[in-house]
Amino acid sequence: NAGVTQTPKFQVLKTGQSMTLQCAQDMNHEYMSWYRQDPGMGLRLIHYSVGAGITDQGEVPNGYNVSRSTTEDFPLRLLSAAPSQTSVYFCASSYSKAWGETQYFGPGTRLLVL
Amino acid sequence: GNSVTQMEGPVTLSEEAFLTINCTYTATGYPSLFWYVQYPGEGLQLLLKATKADDKGSNKGFEATYRKETTSFHLEKGSVQVSDSAVYFCALRAIQGAQKLVFGQGTRLTINP
Repeated sequence: NAGVTQTPKFQVLKTGQSMTLQCAQDMNHEYMSWYRQDPGMGLRLIHYSVGAGITDQGEVPNGYNVSRSTTEDFPLRLLSAAPSQTSVYFCASSYSKAWGETQYFGPGTRLLVL
Repeated sequence: GNSVTQMEGPVTLSEEAFLTINCTYTATGYPSLFWYVQYPGEGLQLLLKATKADDKGSNKGFEATYRKETTSFHLEKGSVQVSDSAVYFCALRAIQGAQKLVFGQGTRLTINP
């Protein structure tokens, strides 16, 4: 199993540009999520999905869109990039959203918005 | 709300020293508790976890015990190695609000030979 994969590894955008961060998992996990990591702030949840066709907002959803058309894929879209979105983005998945389940993380995408 | 407080870093130790990284939490009910490790340039990897009071999680020589009475989940290792240099995150997943992991701010650990 490849686990959780993310592309690209690194991206530079100009303010106002749009892009999609890709995330895929091959573990047949129902639950997937996106976090951003900023210095001194740990990781914060952006959006999550409990199954294909079902998504919901996390604690910092503004400026991001998601969709979940298949169990495997959960892309994150930046509609109009802003410098405040410079961060490292991690996708994670778990078998379910149950409290005892372990979330598995991808390697991350480092995004710089100029 | 749910929160995790971790020991301030960075922490620098010599090889073979004893390690403790403190973690305390606030949560409604009894959450699951996790320690994740992030090596330079990589994503987060699960190090260990515990899902109920008095459970001890262990992996790669690291241990942490779920202490309900002190709401703590301190990470310990008896003899650290240079390869343990990384950032360590304590996290919880609450029964209510289980859709997300709540993370501490992370503790950077550097081990000198």
